[in-house]
Amino acid sequence: DVKVTQSSRYLVKRTGEKVFLECVQDMDHENMFWYRQDPGLGLRLIYFSYDVKMKEKGDIPEGYSVSREKKERFSLILESASTNQTSMYLCASSPRRQGGTEAFFGQGTRLTVV
Amino acid sequence: AQKVTQAQTEISVVEKEDVTLDCVYETRDTTYYLFWYKQPPSGELVFLIRRNSFDEQNEISGRYSWNFQKSTSSFNFTITASQVVDSAVYFCALSEVYTGANSKLTFGKGITLSVRP
Repeated sequence: DVKVTQSSRYLVKRTGEKVFLECVQDMDHENMFWYRQDPGLGLRLIYFSYDVKMKEKGDIPEGYSVSREKKERFSLILESASTNQTSMYLCASSPRRQGGTEAFFGQGTRLTVV
Repeated sequence: AQKVTQAQTEISVVEKEDVTLDCVYETRDTTYYLFWYKQPPSGELVFLIRRNSFDEQNEISGRYSWNFQKSTSSFNFTITASQVVDSAVYFCALSEVYTGANSKLTFGKGITLSVRP
């Protein structure tokens, strides 16, 4: 079974802190994604990566950065956390396949910035 | 730009009722894929179905069925004889080809389904 693991289930950070959310997948998938989920807004794509050291902005990249030094690991970084970044963060991975392929999701990290 | 609209936000039914979740999409691609995901209270999104734009056959899997109509750009999901365990948030999604064999998913806002005993 595909396994996508996010390092924390719940996280509480202070405004201004630098925050790292880690995601690891064990199925050798090329593609990895970070989404945030907010009530009434669904899932919105923050950043994605199609290869090691490669990153692309999604729909709402402001205030975030990412790192992909190894194929299996994709990190989301909040350079200076703010209260409007309180949200559920979901990591996903998918194989490279012509056309469309389903993404496999981690269990989510609920981040609260106080 | 790709877009997925789930006009229903919350649906509440009594157990054993049938319920249909609507999904309408917009895309300029001629080849595309549609998906449904379920997010139970535990939080992890669970993949339910993937359908490509060339296959308009309806699909049935147990109590679940999907109706894909290209003419109306809709991909609706029906749960027959709903159960309390069906209570979840359901997302419809559309794949967007980025480059070559790479694609990413655009999600609708989700429908919260509550099934009461």
